Order: sequence, then C-alpha cells, then structure tokens
Amino acid sequence: AQSVTQLDSQVPVFEEAPVELRCNYSSSVSVYLFWYVQYPNQGLQLLLKYLSGSTLVESINGFEAEFNKSQTSFHLRKPSVHISDTAEYFCAVRRDKLVFGAGTILRVKS
Amino acid sequence: GAVVSQHPSWVICKSGTSVKIECRSLDFQATTMFWYRQFPKQSLMLMATSNEGSKATYEQGVEKDKFLINHASLTLSTLTVTSAHPEDSSFYICSALSGVGNYEQYFGPGTRLTVT
Repeated sequence: AQSVTQLDSQVPVFEEAPVELRCNYSSSVSVYLFWYVQYPNQGLQLLLKYLSGSTLVESINGFEAEFNKSQTSFHLRKPSVHISDTAEYFCAVRRDKLVFGAGTILRVKS
Repeated sequence: GAVVSQHPSWVICKSGTSVKIECRSLDFQATTMFWYRQFPKQSLMLMATSNEGSKATYEQGVEKDKFLINHASLTLSTLTVTSAHPEDSSFYICSALSGVGNYEQYFGPGTRLTVT
C-alpha cells in the first residue's frame, strides 16, 4: 500500500522568499504523484502532476516539483512566493487509489 | 478543464434527519466517482468509490448504511447521510475520474455539513 509523508505541518515564509514543501512517499510499485492546493473552505485544485517523462514538472503559477525516485520524494518549490499563495498544500500518490499526505499550511507574510 | 460541482455548498440539519449531497461532472463523463471526508485541519479521508451503475465500494470503517452512495449516471453521484448526528459534521468532497486509465481526479468544491 502507498503512504505519503509531508514533513512540515506549517511553513511560514516572507513574501518574495523561496519556499520548499517536502513530500516523501512509500510504495513498492510505480505510482503517479500529485500536488493539490486548497484555499479556505474550498475543494482541492490540482497544482501539478508527475505521470511519466521529465522528472521536473511545473505549474502555471510558478510552482515546480521534482520526482526523485531514489529518494522517493516529490518536493514542491517556488522561488518567490506571493501573499496569494497562502493555502494548504497536499501531496498525493496514486496507484489503485489516491492517497493524501496530511497537508502543509503555507503562510506567506508581508 | 474538467469541472465538478457539488450541491449544496453548505447545509445545516437537525440531528436524526437525512441529508443528500449531489456531485456532478459538468463537462465530462465520470466513470468513477469518489467521496472524501475532511475534518478540520486534517487531510482527506476516502470514504467510498463508486462506478456508474454498480454498488459503491466503501473503505474500512465507513458505515455503508449510514452513508448511502448512488452513482445513477455518468454525470451524477449522490451521498446521503442518514440519521445524521453531530459527529457527522464535516466537510464532504467528491471527486471524479473521466475514464479508464485516466489517473487525474477532479475535485468538487466541497459541502460543509453541520448537524445540530
């Protein structure tokens, strides 16, 4: 069975600073990897995904994540955050079903 | 992009009554739909998986007689919380897959249920 560990429950960061949200997964078979973002009282929005091919995937709003098979990681990064990036971010893996990590709250301060 | 809607977005009901939540795929046919529950400050917990025209598969620990799921068409799934109690208060989120072999799930905006 798959499992996902998000190592930080909360990450405070100042606006325009870089940020990394960490995600490690455990699976005995190949999986697909996702990052979702959830704004308060809203559902989840897909941020980016890794299915195959290039291990570096990017979103339209400046986030990127790199699939590292040897370290079983899929960390999310952004070189310069904005106030509007404040939200909760969920890492997820999928084989037969989608399994979520506990989530990381990103708080961007001015 | 694929859009999933939920109705209502929030609902308050009295203890002992039943509540139905609808989940619709607006611009695609959803062969498989999922229902999740999210407690405050926690992650999403999968409750059940349903395929159009067949019975839902419930996760361990989820009461199938309490959380009735119907996936009557390729665009509609409903979750009925029967005889609701305050501990059923939660954020319920549905999700849909658009076809066999498609691994991207699209999520609805969620329904906030409060049982008084």
